Amino acid sequence: NAGVTQTPKFRVLKTGQSMTLLCAQDMNHEYMYWYRQDPGMGLRLIHYSVGEGTTAKGEVPDGYNVSRLKKQNFLLGLESAAPSQTSVYFCASNLQGSYNEQFFGPGTRLTVL
Amino acid sequence: ELKVEQNPLFLSMQEGKNYTIYCNYSTTSDRLYWYRQDPGKSLESLFVLLSNGAVKQEGRLMASLDTKARLSTLHITAAVHDLSATYFCAVTTNKLIFGTGTLLAVQP
Repeated sequence: NAGVTQTPKFRVLKTGQSMTLLCAQDMNHEYMYWYRQDPGMGLRLIHYSVGEGTTAKGEVPDGYNVSRLKKQNFLLGLESAAPSQTSVYFCASNLQGSYNEQFFGPGTRLTVL
Repeated sequence: ELKVEQNPLFLSMQEGKNYTIYCNYSTTSDRLYWYRQDPGKSLESLFVLLSNGAVKQEGRLMASLDTKARLSTLHITAAVHDLSATYFCAVTTNKLIFGTGTLLAVQP
């Protein structure tokens, strides 16, 4: 099992550009999450999904969109990147909601100039 | 709104010494996680604490949970350099809320 994988690992964008981050898991997990990690602030939840075809807002959803067309994939989109979105993005998944351990991907380091 | 606070934020300690990291949270929760993160790496699950009074140990790390005090501790015994990392606690309500992390640096 590859676990949770993320593509790409690094990306540099200019302000206003768009991009999509891909998260894939091969553990047949129902729940998937996108977090951002900024220095001194821990991880903050952007969006999450409780199953294929569903999405919900987390703590800091503004400026991001997500889609879960297939159970194994969770996409995070930035329509018009801003420097404030410079961060490390982590995807995670688990079997069923907050009472099960989450497994994290390796992260994507995004810089917006 | 659930808030999770860790202290200290930064801990520099010598090898062989003992120390404790504290995790306080603001509302009722009966499940707490501890994660480890090495620089530039992802998060690795260390412990899941499920109930009041739960204690788990792995090597030189021991975690405990007091749900009445809304407090978890991560105790480090006889620290070694390999334990240098950032440690996060995280608490569940309907979502997982992370603390700000404790950067542990173990000096020879």
